[in-house]
Amino acid sequence: DQQVKQNSPSLSVQEGRISILNCDYTNSMFDYFLWYKKYPAEGPTFLISISSIKDKNEDGRFTVFLNKSAKHLSLHIVPSQPGDSAVYFCAASATLGGSSNTGKLIFGQGTTLQVKP
Amino acid sequence: ETGVTQSPTHLIKTRGQQVTLRCSSQSGHNTVSWYQQALGQGPQFIFQYYREEENGRGNFPPRFSGLQFPNYSSELNVNALELDDSALYLCASGWTAGGTQYFGPGTRLTVL
Repeated sequence: DQQVKQNSPSLSVQEGRISILNCDYTNSMFDYFLWYKKYPAEGPTFLISISSIKDKNEDGRFTVFLNKSAKHLSLHIVPSQPGDSAVYFCAASATLGGSSNTGKLIFGQGTTLQVKP
Repeated sequence: ETGVTQSPTHLIKTRGQQVTLRCSSQSGHNTVSWYQQALGQGPQFIFQYYREEENGRGNFPPRFSGLQFPNYSSELNVNALELDDSALYLCASGWTAGGTQYFGPGTRLTVL
């Protein structure tokens, strides 16, 4: 079963505008969520994370929002730049012991973002 | 402070062979995890090691095995290679199980 889903395979935005990438999860044991960016032929690069005790975390141009009741998180990039063009993965983990998911990151399928100049 | 490194970058093997992939974790990290990423998919968790002991395993058969060493290095061994094992293999390290993990560049394995 797909516990973390990114339903949009691709997104195209104009430079300077906002990019919004979405992610849904099904497992209520997840309490830590992350976003990674991946360029071709490179490993995923950590962008930003959020704990389930928060609903928003900001780092420069990147903001992650968490809606626990909807089991939904989103990544906002403002303003978008051409260098942001990459595949973005959301991931979730259960950091508390006793869960079969403890210790592992569960990834979505990824969303390819294209930022046009 | 160096990041996570992996070797080799690319590898070609034939079905039935065995392969060993290597990873050097970021200094000070206690956990190392291995992931398999097939084309067009997100990384899939293989297993994690915490302080040199296995700390969780994904849905992979026993022919996938690993080791973590005291010097922050780690190995992923795959026996009896199958065509479906062709993928990008990613190593990631972190301070705590389940916390932020930092990835290496990956090893691209092709099984013919």
